[in-house]
Amino acid sequence: NAGVTQTPKFQVLKTGQSMTLQCAQDMNHEYMSWYRQDPGMGLRLIHYSVGAGITDQGEVPNGYNVSRSTTEDFPLRLLSAAPSQTSVYFCASSEGRATNEKLFFGSGTQLSVL
Amino acid sequence: GDSVTQMEGPVTLSEEAFLTINCTYTATGYPSLFWYVQYPGEGLQLLLKATKADDKGSNKGFEATYRKETTSFHLEKGSVQVSDSAVYFCALSGRGYQKVTFGIGTKLQVIP
Repeated sequence: NAGVTQTPKFQVLKTGQSMTLQCAQDMNHEYMSWYRQDPGMGLRLIHYSVGAGITDQGEVPNGYNVSRSTTEDFPLRLLSAAPSQTSVYFCASSEGRATNEKLFFGSGTQLSVL
Repeated sequence: GDSVTQMEGPVTLSEEAFLTINCTYTATGYPSLFWYVQYPGEGLQLLLKATKADDKGSNKGFEATYRKETTSFHLEKGSVQVSDSAVYFCALSGRGYQKVTFGIGTKLQVIP
């Protein structure tokens, strides 16, 4: 049972480069989201999706794009990487939209922007 | 807006010691409250949750009670083990569409 799968696990970029962080879940979950984790700041919501074709911004969306063409996949795109985007990124999903449902997390992508 | 406050740590305890990690929150209405745990090199996983006032969540010897009057959800364990060493996140969800707000995380180190 794979759950939430993120790739790559590690990535180093130069300022201005673009890349896509991949996220896939095999649980047929309706809700998916991206968080970044920074020291002293906990996890902050970047973007989320409540179903295929529907996305919305979270707390820190600037510099990131998302799309949701299928239920399974929710990629995060960095169009022009900046050192401020050095962070650990987590993808999460949940079965529905209710506030009491737990999130399932991937194992994270550690991104360094030089 | 919603917020969660917890100490960053690290909290260092000897094996079999009593653990308390404090968590207080600010939110409108009646949010659901969670504790997530992150082991080294892994993603977060749900430890326990409570969805209404006076509910007690429990799992793996950990407990937390939803206190509406003090807006708190403190995590406790009577006897910690080395395997409990991890980062613990308090979180709340109260404004629909699973917009979960996390605290900064508390690192726990348990020494033999």
